[in-house]
Amino acid sequence: GAVVSQHPSRVICKSGTSVKIECRSLDFQATTMFWYRQFPKQSLMLMATSNEGSKATYEQGVEKDKFLINHASLTLSTLTVTSAHPEDSSFYICSARQTTNEKLFFGSGTQLSVL
Amino acid sequence: QKEVEQDPGPLSVPEGAIVSLNCTYSNSAFQYFMWYRQYSRKGPELLMYTYSSGNKEDGRFTAQVDKSSKYISLFIRDSQPSDSATYLCAMIRPGNQFYFGTGTSLTVIP
Repeated sequence: GAVVSQHPSRVICKSGTSVKIECRSLDFQATTMFWYRQFPKQSLMLMATSNEGSKATYEQGVEKDKFLINHASLTLSTLTVTSAHPEDSSFYICSARQTTNEKLFFGSGTQLSVL
Repeated sequence: QKEVEQDPGPLSVPEGAIVSLNCTYSNSAFQYFMWYRQYSRKGPELLMYTYSSGNKEDGRFTAQVDKSSKYISLFIRDSQPSDSATYLCAMIRPGNQFYFGTGTSLTVIP
């Protein structure tokens, strides 16, 4: 299947710093990418939908100034957690939709720990 | 009513058993159906993808879709300890957002 690369896989940072997570579709173009947050033993929680060349669409309750999303090319979307705080600690996962057949492929996830 | 309902389990079976995982949905417009496997602290991995009613087989996995009943299933034959994971169903209307089940936690006991 298609490959979605996400990195870093793990990041530990101090409170108040910003963290950028990258999501790349390696062998297909993805006009739409999605960002999720997942707490232990819980399902995926959609944060935002990222469309290439336009502003992201955020789900209700997700602060767009806190979670900055950029989808500058057909193969790359980034999520920046600005001024991270301990409550932002979570597992973040991206996914990319293969437009030719509607299949959705996920990155391997990023574990963010804010101290 | 949620768009997609999935029993969260947990489900525990002995090695070699046949596992049946199920999801129901309410929107008849869903056309594409997927099953993902997620190991702890990893991204979900696409296992099966179908778009029509009936069965689709891939190795030990069989995906079944019944559009008239709005019901999908994933069967795992000869289950192995390495199958222990959370299984997510997902579905989509073309050009629209994906809808996920809450996931079923499966443990295969050696």
